[in-house]
Amino acid sequence: AQTVTQSQPEMSVQEAETVTLSCTYDTSESDYYLFWYKQPPSRQMILVIRQEAYKQQNATENRFSVNFQKAAKSFSLKISDSQLGDAAMYFCAYRSAPTGANSKLTFGKGITLSVRP
Amino acid sequence: DTAVSQTPKYLVTQMGNDKSIKCEQNLGHDTMYWYKQDSKKFLKIMFSYNNKELIINETVPNRFSPKSPDKAHLNLHINSLELGDSAVYFCASSQAITQYFGPGTRLTVL
Repeated sequence: AQTVTQSQPEMSVQEAETVTLSCTYDTSESDYYLFWYKQPPSRQMILVIRQEAYKQQNATENRFSVNFQKAAKSFSLKISDSQLGDAAMYFCAYRSAPTGANSKLTFGKGITLSVRP
Repeated sequence: DTAVSQTPKYLVTQMGNDKSIKCEQNLGHDTMYWYKQDSKKFLKIMFSYNNKELIINETVPNRFSPKSPDKAHLNLHINSLELGDSAVYFCASSQAITQYFGPGTRLTVL
């Protein structure tokens, strides 16, 4: 079974600075997908970024980028130019590649990010 | 133009009651899911349906019964509610890879 570990329960960043959120995972599969979801106080789960394991290039979405290290099974999220609206809980998630029975998301425990003005 | 909607957003009820949560998606996706987020914010899959067929049932008590009348709807019925069922329940849908979540239903059992 796959596991996702987010070992830092909380982090804080100064507005306009850069912060990196860590995530490691364990799997015996070679093909899979990794995600970062954001959950603000409104509790809506919002997709931040997605990475395909077969792609060597790290995914980027505006101020959000990942550092995907497949051999190390590490998937960290970097938030540049942090904004007050980035304050939220962030979840790392894993999904096996095949659809159907294996299409569930396995989540880490989440990390609470606060942004200091 | 809401993509994945859930009703109700809040549900407060007494132990032993039966309640339902409804989910609808207008994205045309084939697969829908129910996740449970507990008091520690941990998210775990409960069920998934693909085109009205049950695909995943993750060791959930049989007091929980999902029903999918069509591929755009996945409802969750809970019988004989217990204190431990208090949580936020999320519906999600996907077509291929990415799952899109509804706003969640906070269930409180007194």
